Amino acid sequence: DGGITQSPKYLFRKEGQNVTLSCEQNLNHDAMYWYRQDPGQGLRLIYYSQIVNDFQKGDIAEGYSVSREKKESFPLTVTSAQKNPTAFYLCASRGQVAYEQYFGPGTRLTVT
Amino acid sequence: AQKVTQAQTEISVVEKEDVTLDCVYETRDTTYYLFWYKQPPSGELVFLIRRNSFDEQNEISGRYSWNFQKSTSSFNFTITASQVVDSAVYFCARDYGGSQGNLIFGKGTKLSVKP
Repeated sequence: DGGITQSPKYLFRKEGQNVTLSCEQNLNHDAMYWYRQDPGQGLRLIYYSQIVNDFQKGDIAEGYSVSREKKESFPLTVTSAQKNPTAFYLCASRGQVAYEQYFGPGTRLTVT
Repeated sequence: AQKVTQAQTEISVVEKEDVTLDCVYETRDTTYYLFWYKQPPSGELVFLIRRNSFDEQNEISGRYSWNFQKSTSSFNFTITASQVVDSAVYFCARDYGGSQGNLIFGKGTKLSVKP
């Protein structure tokens, strides 16, 4: 089945550690996105990539990094520089023609 | 950034009631897209509808209907005869403009449908 997978569903880390969240899609979509969601808040864009080997910062990129070495994959690293990393992280992708984005199931990251 | 406002933070209804979720957006563009997404308790956002700014016709899909009014910059979503399975957070969004396809989301409306 075509879709977007994110792993793991729940992730726990100690403060000061970097952590990488996985996002894989088999929809053959060019564009991929990372969002952060905090309780009672909408989604805020962290990074996005329109094409392989290219990505741009979104509204809240500080403390995060990404790579886009393959069309199917867009991993997000939450670095120790991110001051409030505990959140729900959602990955999305979009095809060339349609404007709607399709979302993965999300990863809930807890940093203590 | 141009905002999307969902003034209703939480709504609670009893099953079979009709409910309307409001969405107001800001825009300086002549061409833009509007969207609604549903986020059930599992967390994944589910795409419901996309609307082009040139198409002001209302749309109905089963128990769901959408009312797009450019004059008031609103794109409201109505669920008719609500069901418990409709309980979720609903997000309205619009595109940034341009070709990147980036979206601006409202803060969402949490809908609780009680049996």
